[in-house]
Amino acid sequence: QKEVEQNSGPLSVPEGAIASLNCTYSDRGSQSFFWYRQYSGKSPELIMFIYSNGDKEDGRFTAQLNKASQYVSLLIRDSQPSDSATYLCAAIGGGADGLTFGKGTHLIIQP
Amino acid sequence: ETGVTQTPRHLVMGMTNKKSLKCEQHLGHNAMYWYKQSAKKPLELMFVYSLEERVENNSVPSRFSPECPNSSHLFLHLHTLQPEDSALYLCASSQDRRLAGSKYFGAGTRLSVL
Repeated sequence: QKEVEQNSGPLSVPEGAIASLNCTYSDRGSQSFFWYRQYSGKSPELIMFIYSNGDKEDGRFTAQLNKASQYVSLLIRDSQPSDSATYLCAAIGGGADGLTFGKGTHLIIQP
Repeated sequence: ETGVTQTPRHLVMGMTNKKSLKCEQHLGHNAMYWYKQSAKKPLELMFVYSLEERVENNSVPSRFSPECPNSSHLFLHLHTLQPEDSALYLCASSQDRRLAGSKYFGAGTRLSVL
């Protein structure tokens, strides 16, 4: 069974620091990986995707992928209180939809 | 506003009621999805429609019945639900199934079954 694992948290990070969110996946056939942000009471919103080994940067966000270790991470630099949310990691491989979500990590940025 | 609109936002129903959830997308996407989000659980895919044809049903109980009359509208018909069906039901769309990772989600319907 395909699984995506995340630490549910909460992960507490002081404002201005780097928040590091981690995710592992079980299906070696997974090809692309996605990070969604979900504010409390709101719907998930796509913020990053990555499909090649290494780093991908977009503003304050960096996604990192290591396929050999089956590990994906999201770094948020200069964390702001507005970054406080649940971050969902998702992997896609085969199948009609193929998108498997983790349970999410609850991130709290402390002012 | 993501371009995916769901109604109603909140719904309380008894176990013998019949109700429907509605989703509409204004993005010109060809694929639409229903997800269930329960506390402490990952998002669960329920149904996938591509160009109005259902392509996947992840063993969802028959008390949930989807309908996709056109590529912009998606319904989830509910009947004789159980209390454990209480959850947030999210509709999503993507440009097509090949871009299933890049989804736009609606705000969801918070369903409570009494």
